[in-house]
Amino acid sequence: KNEVEQSPQNLTAQEGEFITINCSYSVGISALHWLQQHPGGGIVSLFMLSSGKKKHGRLIATINIQEKHSSLHITASHPRDSAVYICAARAFGNEKLTFGTGTRLTIIP
Amino acid sequence: GAVVSQHPSWVICKSGTSVKIECRSLDFQATTMFWYRQFPKQSLMLMATSNEGSKATYEQGVEKDKFLINHASLTLSTLTVTSAHPEDSSFYICSAGGLPSYNEQFFGPGTRLTVL
Repeated sequence: KNEVEQSPQNLTAQEGEFITINCSYSVGISALHWLQQHPGGGIVSLFMLSSGKKKHGRLIATINIQEKHSSLHITASHPRDSAVYICAARAFGNEKLTFGTGTRLTIIP
Repeated sequence: GAVVSQHPSWVICKSGTSVKIECRSLDFQATTMFWYRQFPKQSLMLMATSNEGSKATYEQGVEKDKFLINHASLTLSTLTVTSAHPEDSSFYICSAGGLPSYNEQFFGPGTRLTVL
C-alpha cells in the first residue's frame, strides 16, 4: 500500500515569500499529481509529474524518483495562492490515486 | 489541460429523496471516471471507479445500492445518491482519465450536497 505524506500541514507566509511544500511516498509510482483546492472546494490540477521538473508561471514542481519525494514551489507568493495543496501518487499498474492529507497555505498581504 | 464539468455545483434536498450528479469530460474521451467524497478538512476518499460501458467498481465500505454510478458514454458519468440522509451531506468530486493520456486524471469542480 502506498503511503503519501505531506509537510508541512499548515503554512503561513508573508506575501512575496518563496514557498515549498513537500510530498513523500513509499512505493514506486507511475505519476504524481499536485492539486490545488480553494476554500470553495473546487479542485484544480496543477501538475502531473513522472520525472524531473515542470514549471507553470510562478509554480514549479519537482520529483526525485530515487528518493520518492516531490516538492511544489511557489515563487513571489500572493494572497490568491492561499489554498490547500494536495499531492496524489499513482502506483504502477494501478489507476487509483493515493492522496496526501494536504497542506493548508495562507499568504498574508 | 482537459476540462471536466460537474452539475449541479451545489444541491439541497430533503431526506429520502434521490439526487443525481453529472460529470462530463468536455474535450476528451474519458474511458475511466472516478468518484470521490470529501468531508470537511479531510482528504478525498475514493468511492468508485467506472469504466465506460461496464459496471462500476466500488471501494470497500461504499454501498453500491445507495450510490448508483452510470458511465454510459465516453463523456458522461452520473452518480445518484438514493434515499439521501443527512449523513450523505458532503462534497462529491469526479475525475476523468482516458485518451490521449491514460496517466492523467482531470478533476471536476465538485458538487456540494446538503441533505436536510
